[in-house]
Amino acid sequence: GESVGLHLPTLSVQEGDNSIINCAYSNSASDYFIWYKQESGKGPQFIIDIRSNMDKRQGQRVTVLLNKTVKHLSLQIAATQPGDSAVYFCAENDSGGGADGLTFGKGTHLIIQP
Amino acid sequence: GAGVSQSPSNKVTEKGKDVELRCDPISGHTALYWYRQRLGQGLEFLIYFQGNSAPDKSGLPSDRFSAERTGGSVSTLTIQRTQQEDSAVYLCASSLLRAPQPQHFGDGTRLSIL
Repeated sequence: GESVGLHLPTLSVQEGDNSIINCAYSNSASDYFIWYKQESGKGPQFIIDIRSNMDKRQGQRVTVLLNKTVKHLSLQIAATQPGDSAVYFCAENDSGGGADGLTFGKGTHLIIQP
Repeated sequence: GAGVSQSPSNKVTEKGKDVELRCDPISGHTALYWYRQRLGQGLEFLIYFQGNSAPDKSGLPSDRFSAERTGGSVSTLTIQRTQQEDSAVYLCASSLLRAPQPQHFGDGTRLSIL
């Protein structure tokens, strides 16, 4: 079946650097995308979302980029801090396809080096 | 608190027993979702409730799994005749309106089947 996946399971960055977490999706009908941060023992925490009529959206220290041509999504975190260490998941939804749940990728573990 | 509340936080039971997991969504949220997260994996959609409509059960893995939502608020997920492969974290989420909307997650119930 179609699913959302990630290119790298682990990403290690220096504190203060920018982080870029990538995600590929295969369902060309997906029209809603969302990034979550999950810390150990906690539920996923909403970071930012984007709809398919946009290609970029910015939040506080985070930017999501959507490239529908190649079905690629990325999350950029500026000036990475120790508190950003977590597993990051992308997820997608095809709102016109009758599916109400989100389809999640396997996650990228972001490690911050001091 | 104002977030999604799940109970119990941990549940250990013997193979073959039935278990009930509870979710209290954010007040005023009309949509409620259940997901399963196996160790080191992304989330798998199980079931979705929207208002008084019939639930979307498309993600339930077998007929041993069922869920209900009473009064449009609290939900229980029931797993009958538990198997070892049911061991996972079960996460509940709610959103203000039906998809596509950010879903806000509880911290889950960690279920261990002996």
